[in-house]
Amino acid sequence: KAGVTQTPRYLIKTRGQQVTLSCSPISGHRSVSWYQQTPGQGLQFLFEYFSETQRNKGNFPGRFSGRQFSNSRSEMNVSTLELGDSALYLCASSLESNTEAFFGQGTRLTVV
Amino acid sequence: AQKITQTQPGMFVQEKEAVTLDCTYDTSDQSYGLFWYKQPSSGEMIFLIYQGSYDEQNATEGRYSLNFQKARKSANLVISASQLGDSAMYFCAMRGRVTGTGGTSYGKLTFGQGTILTVHP
Repeated sequence: KAGVTQTPRYLIKTRGQQVTLSCSPISGHRSVSWYQQTPGQGLQFLFEYFSETQRNKGNFPGRFSGRQFSNSRSEMNVSTLELGDSALYLCASSLESNTEAFFGQGTRLTVV
Repeated sequence: AQKITQTQPGMFVQEKEAVTLDCTYDTSDQSYGLFWYKQPSSGEMIFLIYQGSYDEQNATEGRYSLNFQKARKSANLVISASQLGDSAMYFCAMRGRVTGTGGTSYGKLTFGQGTILTVHP
């Protein structure tokens, strides 16, 4: 059974650019949530999607957005990148929103 | 709101010995879930163990067990027979009820600051 797949693994972008990260959940899982991990702030919740609907959003500016497709794959987009957006972005997959959450390997974004 | 506190920034243990990583939580919810994850230097977050708030028995998964003390709001992770490969960052996390624009869900995980475990040969 395949795990959670995040692409790309590594990304280098310039300030002001935008970026799209992808997450393919475990087959059959309908809940996908995203987290940002930085040395200073730790792990912070970005948003949760369930059956193509955003259920919750963390305390991040509107430059951070996401969506979920009918096959449960999810993408998150960050526009007008800032240096502070450099982080490890992790995606978690769950069968339902209240069951065990399994993470992908993350996408390490560097903004220069 | 949920809060997770891990008071041990770093822990050291000798190979083959047991180690306990502390975790306390705060929530006003009656229904919640507690998780432990391992994060090696590669960055991947590896699921270790889960405890539901209504579970009577402490969760166990191989060498991992969760010492759940509901009245004290603690959920300590016990690793038995430590191995060199256990050296990593360990995170305690909680899933509780959140009401957002899309309704009520349990999809948000709140994490502690983590404990770096180093296993010595």
